Amino acid sequence: QVQLVQSGAEVRKPGASVKVSCKASGYPFTDYYIHWVRQAPGQGLEWMGWINPRHGGTSYAQKFQGRVTMTRDTSISTAYMELSRLRSDETAVYYCASHYYDPSGDFDYWGQGTLVTVSS
Amino acid sequence: QSVLTQPPSASGTPGQRVTISCSGSSSNIGTNYVHWYQQLPGTAPSLLICRDNQRPSGVPDRFSGSKSGTSASLAISGLRSEDEADYYCAVWDESLRGRVFGGGTKLTVL
Repeated sequence: QVQLVQSGAEVRKPGASVKVSCKASGYPFTDYYIHWVRQAPGQGLEWMGWINPRHGGTSYAQKFQGRVTMTRDTSISTAYMELSRLRSDETAVYYCASHYYDPSGDFDYWGQGTLVTVSS
Repeated sequence: QSVLTQPPSASGTPGQRVTISCSGSSSNIGTNYVHWYQQLPGTAPSLLICRDNQRPSGVPDRFSGSKSGTSASLAISGLRSEDEADYYCAVWDESLRGRVFGGGTKLTVL
């Protein structure tokens, strides 16, 4: 079955960086984009960007340009999201997700989420 | 504030029908498919409705979606206690060149 399994919770100080991983299984990793979405405590969902696992192309939300880097390692079907210069208000659960919608078959899966706590 | 506008809360009693609206613009809802997610406390969002009005396998037919112009709606009929959750609309925005979400609607079953 399709699974996206993320790395464990992280604690960082303000100004530091964090790198979260997302390991895909149960489908061809290079077939569908990986998106990253975050959710601050008690808040809504915020899209951060995507990576095309096939060739590594990326697109980031303007808010995160210059601070976020999305990469992948096709040999282990894993995508990564690194966010630098963390602020305390960026404590959130970070999700990876993969989706593709088509009448021949819809595809929409999310990782379990990774809590990143930013605190001094 | 979110690009897509949802009411922050909705409520109903068991067996009732409730609707949740999602208002956008020509660059998102007016152009692309709307998808709806259900998020139970402490879990990742789960796809409820895709491509405006399609139910993925396993989603009860009590859930339905519709779209008109730059607005979309999620309807839940025969409300059950287990439907108590947060609901989000999502769509690709051509102007922002990114996915946008509604602010979320917390559904309470009274």
